[in-house]
Amino acid sequence: AQSVTQLGSHVSVSEGALVLLRCNYSSSVPPYLFWYVQYPNQGLQLLLKYTSAATLVKGINGFEAEFKKSETSFHLTKPSAHMSDAAEYFCAVSEGSTLTFGKGTMLLVSP
Amino acid sequence: NAGVMQNPRHLVRRRGQEARLRCSPMKGHSHVYWYRQLPEEGLKFMVYLQKENIIDESGMPKERFSAEFPKEGPSILRIQQVVRGDSAAYFCASSHGLAGSTDTQYFGPGTRLTVL
Repeated sequence: AQSVTQLGSHVSVSEGALVLLRCNYSSSVPPYLFWYVQYPNQGLQLLLKYTSAATLVKGINGFEAEFKKSETSFHLTKPSAHMSDAAEYFCAVSEGSTLTFGKGTMLLVSP
Repeated sequence: NAGVMQNPRHLVRRRGQEARLRCSPMKGHSHVYWYRQLPEEGLKFMVYLQKENIIDESGMPKERFSAEFPKEGPSILRIQQVVRGDSAAYFCASSHGLAGSTDTQYFGPGTRLTVL
C-alpha cells in the first residue's frame, strides 16, 4: 500500500528565505508524485508533478521538487519565500487512478 | 474555461437530515473523484466514478454514503442521516482518465458540511 509522510505540520520562514517542505513516500511500484497547494477556504491547486521523465521537476510560482529514489523523498523547495506563498501544501502519491495524500504542511511566511 | 464546480460551497444540516453535494467536472473530463478532508487531516479518497459507473468505492463508508455520476448532469455525493462526525470539507476532482502519467486530477473549491 502506498503512503505519504510530510515532516512538520507547520513550517515558518521569513520573506526572502529558502522554503523546504519535506515529503517521503512508500510505494510498491514506481510512483507518480504530486504537490498541491491549498489557500484558505479554497480547493487544491496543482503545483507540480513527477512522472519519471526528469528527477528535478519545476512547477508554478517558482517551486520545484526533486525525486530521490534512494531516499524515497520528493521535497518541495523555493529559493525565496514570498508572503503570498503562505498556504497549506500537500504531497500526494498515485499508483493508479487515486491519490493518497500526506497530512499537509502549513507554510507561514513572516515579513 | 470553467474549472471543477462544486455546490453548495457551504452546507449546514441537522443530525438525521440528508446532505447532497454536487460536482460538475471540467469540460472534457469524464472521470470524477470524491475526497473528504477532516480537520487537521489530509484528503482521504472516497470514490472514483465514470459516467454511469462506479470504478472504485474502496474509501466510502459502508453505510449512509452513496455516489453517482449520471449520463447527464453533475456527480452527486449523498449522505443520509448525517451525524456530527460527517462534518468535513468534501472535495471533488476530475480528470480525462488517461492512462499513465499524463492524467492529472483537478480539484474543485470544495463543499464544507457542518452538522449541528
